[in-house]
Amino acid sequence: EAQVTQNPRYLITVTGKKLTVTCSQNMNHEYMSWYRQDPGLGLRQIYYSMNVEVTDKGDVPEGYKVSRKEKRNFPLILESPSPNQTSLYFCASSLTAGPTLNSPLHFGNGTRLTVT
Amino acid sequence: DQQVKQNSPSLSVQEGRISILNCDYTNSMFDYFLWYKKYPAEGPTFLISISSIKDKNEDGRFTVFLNKSAKHLSLHIVPSQPGDSAVYFCAAPLKPGYSSASKIIFGSGTRLSIRP
Repeated sequence: EAQVTQNPRYLITVTGKKLTVTCSQNMNHEYMSWYRQDPGLGLRQIYYSMNVEVTDKGDVPEGYKVSRKEKRNFPLILESPSPNQTSLYFCASSLTAGPTLNSPLHFGNGTRLTVT
Repeated sequence: DQQVKQNSPSLSVQEGRISILNCDYTNSMFDYFLWYKKYPAEGPTFLISISSIKDKNEDGRFTVFLNKSAKHLSLHIVPSQPGDSAVYFCAAPLKPGYSSASKIIFGSGTRLSIRP
């Protein structure tokens, strides 16, 4: 089944403890991206990657890192999580090197992160 | 500054009637617009799109209308069904000057509830 898989689905951690949220897609998509969803703010882009070894900042990149060593994987790294990073995170991918009208984003099921 | 705005956080509609979800935008350079639907505990899924050169696009019970002069688009669902209860996001691509890839900007979402 074609899908974007995120792990874990739920994560509770403490301030400052490094964590990684994994994202993998099996559709051979070029583009991958991370979003966070917060009440009243919709989905805001954290980082995106147009291709392997190519990553760039989105609207809210502070406190996050990403890497794209393989086409299928795009992990999100929080080196020193803080409570303001408590949020619902989504990984997404699209076939082309950037979503288009005919190549929309496909989303994973989300990771709910709580930082205490 | 939100370039894509959904001013109604929630909407309740009786089953069988028409649901109208609204979205306003500020950037007249958007090439197309999309609607995504999101159920609880799942990621958003692409629903319908419309190119900026059109004023209407229809797909089954879903129709999106685009009014460029008013910078407004709306999603009509007729007839509304219980399975339509979800959060709906409108979205549009923004191409940063430093990148060849578009990033998708999302509105804050409207929670649609279909009551029996």
